[in-house]
Amino acid sequence: ETGVTQSPTHLIKTRGQQVTLRCSSQSGHNTVSWYQQALGQGPQFIFQYYREEENGRGNFPPRFSGLQFPNYSSELNVNALELDDSALYLCASSLWLAAHEQFFGPGTRLTVL
Amino acid sequence: QQPVQSPQAVILREGEDAVINCSSSKALYSVHWYRQKHGEAPVFLMILLKGGEQKGHDKISASFNEKKQQSSLYLTASQLSYSGTYFCGTDYSGGAQKLVFGQGTRLTINP
Repeated sequence: ETGVTQSPTHLIKTRGQQVTLRCSSQSGHNTVSWYQQALGQGPQFIFQYYREEENGRGNFPPRFSGLQFPNYSSELNVNALELDDSALYLCASSLWLAAHEQFFGPGTRLTVL
Repeated sequence: QQPVQSPQAVILREGEDAVINCSSSKALYSVHWYRQKHGEAPVFLMILLKGGEQKGHDKISASFNEKKQQSSLYLTASQLSYSGTYFCGTDYSGGAQKLVFGQGTRLTINP
């Protein structure tokens, strides 16, 4: 069974640039959720994808967007990067079922200068 | 509606017990507990559903008090490997777990 993988591991960008982060879900999982974790804080829900459609969104502006592909992998895109976007971005995969555990990937550390 | 965790930090000696609480002001469908070590991803520990269910494995267990909208995580005879930050993630919808996480409880276990 393959776990959740994310790429890249680290990324440095400058303000105003755009970034794409990638996530491969755990084998057998069909739902991907993205979270932003600032230093010293708990993860914050960005959005979730199921069947290639966004299913719920947290309190993040439209410049945060995503995609899910037929193989359930997913991308997170952030446009017009701001300094406050610097954080660890985590994706978590799960089954589309109520109260089912989510398994997190190792994360992408994004630094915006 | 971020859940509130208490305490914010705990320092124990190996072998001591700890309790971490997670309280919500809104009705919960389920509570998810995770442990995160520095620089690593959160690791799933357990889920508790509304109904006062108690779960456990090894020396870590948890309860869910539906009336109080509170969950507690119990660590018994703590081991050095238990060190890390513990997060509760709350699900208010009963859907596919759009979790709202607490601010975390940092647990340090000393020899």
